[in-house]
Amino acid sequence: DAKTTQPNSMESNEEEPVHLPCNHSTISGTDYIHWYRQLPSQGPEYVIHGLTSNVNNRMASLAIAEDRKSSTLILHRATLRDAAVYYCIPYGGSQGNLIFGKGTKLSVKP
Amino acid sequence: NAGVTQTPKFRILKIGQSMTLQCTQDMNHNYMYWYRQDPGMGLKLIYYSVGAGITDKGEVPNGYNVSRSTTEDFPLRLELAAPSQTSVYFCASSYSRGWYFGPGTRLTVT
Repeated sequence: DAKTTQPNSMESNEEEPVHLPCNHSTISGTDYIHWYRQLPSQGPEYVIHGLTSNVNNRMASLAIAEDRKSSTLILHRATLRDAAVYYCIPYGGSQGNLIFGKGTKLSVKP
Repeated sequence: NAGVTQTPKFRILKIGQSMTLQCTQDMNHNYMYWYRQDPGMGLKLIYYSVGAGITDKGEVPNGYNVSRSTTEDFPLRLELAAPSQTSVYFCASSYSRGWYFGPGTRLTVT
């Protein structure tokens, strides 16, 4: 399983963009990069995932480095509701397990 | 769809008592999982199931048992509760690359 490194915490101001980095230098060639987030007192929820090229959805954008050893989750305009722990998870889709690290705790200031 | 539901939301057990945490999903997913999350930590896999009648151990199975008699239900049984089992328990189901988590059960063993 690929090991990931994320900052323990980050702060942002409301309505400003946020870039959450993740290093996954041992990722295998077939692993997708998944991002989940966990709002306070809730279960994790899916944010976005990608393999090689950048991805966008209504929640966020995912920028993947060309060598796939790192990625960045981009929240274009942070809201107070985006305050959560964000997990970066390389996942091969074999349905075996999502391995959660400690993630990055994002605080959003009004 | 209700998604993944868990009951109860909270429970306090005395040492040595037993209980069953209930988990139900209405998305017809074959794969289901039980995780536990200790304060400030990521989620750790307890057990998982790839379909009715099939279960397997995860990273931290000791002290727990599971069964999967239907696609919808995946109960987690705690026998002889111990203080080390104080945690928040999350059930999840998945299909392809989409994972869905329940709201969690907060368990305290005293």
